[in-house]
Amino acid sequence: DTGVSQDPRHKITKRGQNVTFRCDPISEHNRLYWYRQTLGQGPEFLTYFQNEAQLEKSRLLSDRFSAERPKGSFSTLEIQRTEQGDSAMYLCASSITSMGGYTFGSGTRLTVV
Amino acid sequence: AQTVTQSQPEMSVQEAETVTLSCTYDTSESDYYLFWYKQPPSRQMILVIRQEAYKQQNATENRFSVNFQKAAKSFSLKISDSQLGDAAMYFCAYRSGDSGGGADGLTFGKGTHLIIQP
Repeated sequence: DTGVSQDPRHKITKRGQNVTFRCDPISEHNRLYWYRQTLGQGPEFLTYFQNEAQLEKSRLLSDRFSAERPKGSFSTLEIQRTEQGDSAMYLCASSITSMGGYTFGSGTRLTVV
Repeated sequence: AQTVTQSQPEMSVQEAETVTLSCTYDTSESDYYLFWYKQPPSRQMILVIRQEAYKQQNATENRFSVNFQKAAKSFSLKISDSQLGDAAMYFCAYRSGDSGGGADGLTFGKGTHLIIQP
């Protein structure tokens, strides 16, 4: 068990391009979460999966954002037509129950130029 | 909607001393969980301690303890015998309980940057 893995660690993209991030949760964890963290702020909740079902989406998740978790394993977060305001750290977390704390990955830092 | 407030952007403490980080929250729910997370410069969030709102006893994990005041909606973190490795951003977070059918995501405060002076 290597914890929660995120790929890539860093991504620089031009405005208007599409980007996709991947998260591999801890294998036995059925719950997976995406958060966005901008400089000087705490993480903000984006979306949540239980197995393959996306159960909750934040208002922060505009229609340019889409997340999937096929087969309830890894998850992808895609941002279409990136904007400079999308520059942030995107964090993934997983948990096995709703009661415990979550295990976070190291994040993907997105820079939109 | 729930909110979490950390009023101390930065705190500094001498190594081996004790420091307390403040956190207040606003909620109308009675069933919820509170957490403190640590985020070192490597950026990976690490769970420090958690507290269930229905438990009156304050949670303790080695040198870390909380002072949970439910009526005051206060959840402070005390770090005893501070060590250089404790230097990090500390985030207070809230999650709705299962009985309320609330959101499963965490609501974070803005964080407190803890500096340990050698």
